[in-house]
Amino acid sequence: SQTIHQWPATLVQPVGSPLSLECTVEGTSNPNLYWYRQAAGRGLQLLFYSVGIGQISSEVPQNLSASRPQDRQFILSSKKLLLSDSGFYLCAWNLFSRGSYGYTFGSGTRLTVV
Amino acid sequence: KNQVEQSPQSLIILEGKNCTLQCNYTVSPFSNLRWYKQDTGRGPVSLTIMTFSENTKSNGRYTATLDADTKQSSLHITASQLSDSASYICVVWVSGTYKYIFGTGTRLKVLA
Repeated sequence: SQTIHQWPATLVQPVGSPLSLECTVEGTSNPNLYWYRQAAGRGLQLLFYSVGIGQISSEVPQNLSASRPQDRQFILSSKKLLLSDSGFYLCAWNLFSRGSYGYTFGSGTRLTVV
Repeated sequence: KNQVEQSPQSLIILEGKNCTLQCNYTVSPFSNLRWYKQDTGRGPVSLTIMTFSENTKSNGRYTATLDADTKQSSLHITASQLSDSASYICVVWVSGTYKYIFGTGTRLKVLA
């Protein structure tokens, strides 16, 4: 069966510090991978998605970047965090080749920038 | 513009009561619709997925309906439990793309 892992679960970082959140999927190959951010009491905002190694599509301009160094690894990064980067970050995967198979979310990372 | 709107924004019910959450979408072309449950501080968990040819789908005490003509879906929760307290999110897949369109969710609180 497929599983998605996301870490860390909680992170407190000072303004101006770098960020690296990691997401990995097991049990499948060539998944589509997504990063979302959810502000407190708000809906999910798509940040990035990737349909293959090295392929990154950005949905909104921001202080963040994403990379996909391996087939089942998706990394969200920032060189210098802003207060506005605080939020709940979620990784998700699906298989486009099978229609909308999957679309399972990770457990999320609560990021607080202080 | 592809949009998904949910109502009500929040809902409070007593344990044991039933409730119905609404989702209206303007997504085109439509492929499928999912309902997710999101506990506070957790990732969303899929409850149901429905394609345009399906009218009703159940998952335990959760029953989702879909009217592809009017572009409306509902999620009915029967005999609510305290553990049903969560946000419920309606999500529509845009056919031919890699993206889902998310509703802003309904926050349900079940009181003892």
